[in-house]
Amino acid sequence: DAGVTQSPTHLIKTRGQQVTLRCSPKSGHDTVSWYQQALGQGPQFIFQYYEEEERQRGNFPDRFSGHQFPNYSSELNVNALLLGDSALYLCASSLLGQERSEQYFGPGTRLTVT
Amino acid sequence: GNSVTQMEGPVTLSEEAFLTINCTYTATGYPSLFWYVQYPGEGLQLLLKATKADDKGSNKGFEATYRKETTSFHLEKGSVQVSDSAVYFCALSDQRNTPLVFGKGTRLSVIA
Repeated sequence: DAGVTQSPTHLIKTRGQQVTLRCSPKSGHDTVSWYQQALGQGPQFIFQYYEEEERQRGNFPDRFSGHQFPNYSSELNVNALLLGDSALYLCASSLLGQERSEQYFGPGTRLTVT
Repeated sequence: GNSVTQMEGPVTLSEEAFLTINCTYTATGYPSLFWYVQYPGEGLQLLLKATKADDKGSNKGFEATYRKETTSFHLEKGSVQVSDSAVYFCALSDQRNTPLVFGKGTRLSVIA
């Protein structure tokens, strides 16, 4: 049973560029959430996707956008990168209809903006 | 809004010492409470959870009890090992299956 997978593992971009991160959820899960973890901090919720729609959103600017595909995989896009966007980006999957469903995390994508 | 406060680290212990990492929360209703662990260079792994008051979550020798009266969910282990060195995050999610709210994390270093 494959867990949550993310790609790429590491990424280096320049200020002003755009980046796309990818996530495949755990088998049987239909909901994907994205979190940003800055160095030395706890993860912060960016947004959550279910049925290809953004279901909830945290306090992040519109430069952060996402997409969910029919196979439940998801992408996180960040436009006009800032130095402060350097962080570990974590994807988590869950089953929305299950009461108090656990979230399973992927290994993350480490983004460095120079 | 919901929030989690956990003790600041780093915490350095000798092998076989007793571990406590404090966590308190603020939430409406009856949230589910979690402890996640992050080993160096890795993502988050669920360590244990509790979904209602007085529940005790346990895994790999770690325990935490959901205390509604003190809004706490302290992590404990009776005898730590070097392999327990990691960052530990306390988190909550309310009953509407909303996203996780995390504390800032506590780095634990266990020395032989």
